[in-house]
Amino acid sequence: NAGVTQTPKFQVLKTGQSMTLQCAQDMNHEYMSWYRQDPGMGLRLIHYSVGAGITDQGEVPNGYNVSRSTTEDFPLRLLSAAPSQTSVYFCASSSTTTGGDGYTFGSGTRLTVV
Amino acid sequence: GEDVEQSLFLSVREGDSSVINCTYTDSSSTYLYWYKQEPGAGLQLLTYIFSNMDMKQDQRLTVLLNKKDKHLSLRIADTQTGDSAIYFCAESNQGNTPLVFGKGTRLSVIA
Repeated sequence: NAGVTQTPKFQVLKTGQSMTLQCAQDMNHEYMSWYRQDPGMGLRLIHYSVGAGITDQGEVPNGYNVSRSTTEDFPLRLLSAAPSQTSVYFCASSSTTTGGDGYTFGSGTRLTVV
Repeated sequence: GEDVEQSLFLSVREGDSSVINCTYTDSSSTYLYWYKQEPGAGLQLLTYIFSNMDMKQDQRLTVLLNKKDKHLSLRIADTQTGDSAIYFCAESNQGNTPLVFGKGTRLSVIA
């Protein structure tokens, strides 16, 4: 099925551990992005990419790294997890940065850092 | 920078109409969106309106745009329990920058 696939769906990490959240889309979208969702805070943009080899920071980039080596994949790396990174993470993609026909979202990764 | 504001909660009775409001600050907005998030799921695009339109209707959904006041609303007619969700307003502009989302309005439908 066409869409945005995020893995894993759930993850528990210990403080200081590292991990990569995976995001893949099969719609040949140029634009991809990562958001975190926290209660009362809405969606906050972490990093985004307007095409392979191009990434940029969003509103809350600290503690996260990204790369975009292919059009399809946009992994999010946590180098040293902290409890403040406990959140639900969403990946989104679109044919254009500005939305046009809207962003397609993945189903999310729920991360708990203990 | 751009900002999008929404009230956080709305409660309605089943069968009534729901109106969810949103205000935005960016006068160069080109598209304005409404997304729905059901529990445990990602955001799903409900509808969007181009900035040169005043109104868009799609079955039970009516979107009204007042560009002068930078006010967007989503009306859901004959609200059902399945409409209970968080609704996000989002806006884009003419520059090559990502969508800006509001914090979301949690709609509760009482049977």
